[in-house]
Amino acid sequence: AQSVTQLGSHVSVSEGALVLLRCNYSSSVPPYLFWYVQYPNQGLQLLLKYTSAATLVKGINGFEAEFKKSETSFHLTKPSAHMSDAAEYFCAVSDNTDKLIFGTGTRLQVFP
Amino acid sequence: EPEVTQTPSHQVTQMGQEVILRCVPISNHLYFYWYRQILGQKVEFLVSFYNNEISEKSEIFDDQFSVERPDGSNFTLKIRSTKLEDSAMYFCASSEGAGPVYEQYFGPGTRLTVT
Repeated sequence: AQSVTQLGSHVSVSEGALVLLRCNYSSSVPPYLFWYVQYPNQGLQLLLKYTSAATLVKGINGFEAEFKKSETSFHLTKPSAHMSDAAEYFCAVSDNTDKLIFGTGTRLQVFP
Repeated sequence: EPEVTQTPSHQVTQMGQEVILRCVPISNHLYFYWYRQILGQKVEFLVSFYNNEISEKSEIFDDQFSVERPDGSNFTLKIRSTKLEDSAMYFCASSEGAGPVYEQYFGPGTRLTVT
C-alpha cells in the first residue's frame, strides 16, 4: 500500500530563510508525487508534481522538490521564504489510479 | 480562472440526520472526487466519479454515503444518517482526465460538524 509521511506538523522560518518541508513516501510501484498548498479558506492548490521525467521538479511560487529514490523522499524547498508562503502544505502520492494519498500536512509559519 | 466551488462552507447537523454537500466542478472537467479530512488527520480519498458512475471508492465510503451528479453542473455527496465520526472537512475536486497526469483541482471545502 502506498503512503506518505510528513515530518513536522509545524515549521517556522524567518522571512528570507530557507524553507524545507519533509516528505517520505512508501510505494510498491514507481510513484507519482505531489505537493499541494492550502491557503486559509481556500482549496488545495497544486504546487508541483513528479511524474518520473526529471528528479528535480520546479513548481509555482519559487518552490521545488527533488525526488530521491534511494531515500524514498520528496522534500519541498524554497531558497527564501516570503510572508505570503504561510500556509498548510500537503505531500501526496498516487499509484497511477485516480486517488491521491495525502500526508497529514505541515503548517508553515513565516516570521518577519 | 475557473475554480471548484462548494456549499455550504460550514454545516452543522445532528447525529442521525441526512446531509447533502454540494460542489460545482470546473465546467469542462469530466472526473469528480470527494476527499475528507478529520481534524488533525490525513486528507483521505472517498470516491471518484465519471460518466455518472463511481470509478473507485475507499473503505470509508460505505452504504451511508452516496454521490450524484443531478444536473450538468452540480456534484453532490450525501450522508444518509450522520455519525459523530463523520465530522470533518470535505473537499470536492475535479479533473479533465483520469489518473495522476491530470491535475485535480480542489474546492475550499465544507466543514461538517455532527453534534
